Amino acid sequence: GAVVSQHPSWVICKSGTSVKIECRSLDFQATTMFWYRQFPKQSLMLMATSNEGSKATYEQGVEKDKFLINHASLTLSTLTVTSAHPEDSSFYICSARGSAYEQYFGPGTRLTVT
Amino acid sequence: AQSVTQLDSHVSVSEGTPVLLRCNYSSSYSPSLFWYVQHPNKGLQLLLKYTSAATLVKGINGFEAEFKKSETSFHLTKPSAHMSDAAEYFCVVSPISYNTDKLIFGTGTRLQVFP
Repeated sequence: GAVVSQHPSWVICKSGTSVKIECRSLDFQATTMFWYRQFPKQSLMLMATSNEGSKATYEQGVEKDKFLINHASLTLSTLTVTSAHPEDSSFYICSARGSAYEQYFGPGTRLTVT
Repeated sequence: AQSVTQLDSHVSVSEGTPVLLRCNYSSSYSPSLFWYVQHPNKGLQLLLKYTSAATLVKGINGFEAEFKKSETSFHLTKPSAHMSDAAEYFCVVSPISYNTDKLIFGTGTRLQVFP
């Protein structure tokens, strides 16, 4: 149980375009999901907390207009990277809060902006 | 400020030998501490967690960790490494016990296991 999926697992896009990444909790409902960014050889950095039915809470330094988060249902949160640039290339990981306040992580999405 | 330091970016062991992955933390409060493992192209999997109960925590796959407040450490150990243990390991601190919304990750330790 407690499986979280992400789609796509890998995406390449051209500079200036937008990319949407989906995060789904497959066998449980998650009112809260989290989005992380991981640079090579670095740790995960929390970008934002996504709450179902309300606006996301962004961490300091994260541009909310660039990284649009929507949590429209109890099993789906999406992250849209708008007007992507090469510096947005990274590994994006989502997690979903389950029971006992544990976070269950997705497999990640590697974004490459050319 | 809360932080976590993984002292080794890479650890290499031979199969069947002990594993030690070191982690030190800094927290103003009584923290919760976790170890996660990440295999290539897979999500992070929880190995074990400490939440102010027993200081010696046993996790999955034979791993265990000991919370030492005096040393502010939470090192991960396993008596005998297996080839399948090769992965990236993250030490994580949650500054507030029983509230894992704010997780602070270490930079990770890559474990290599040689036959």
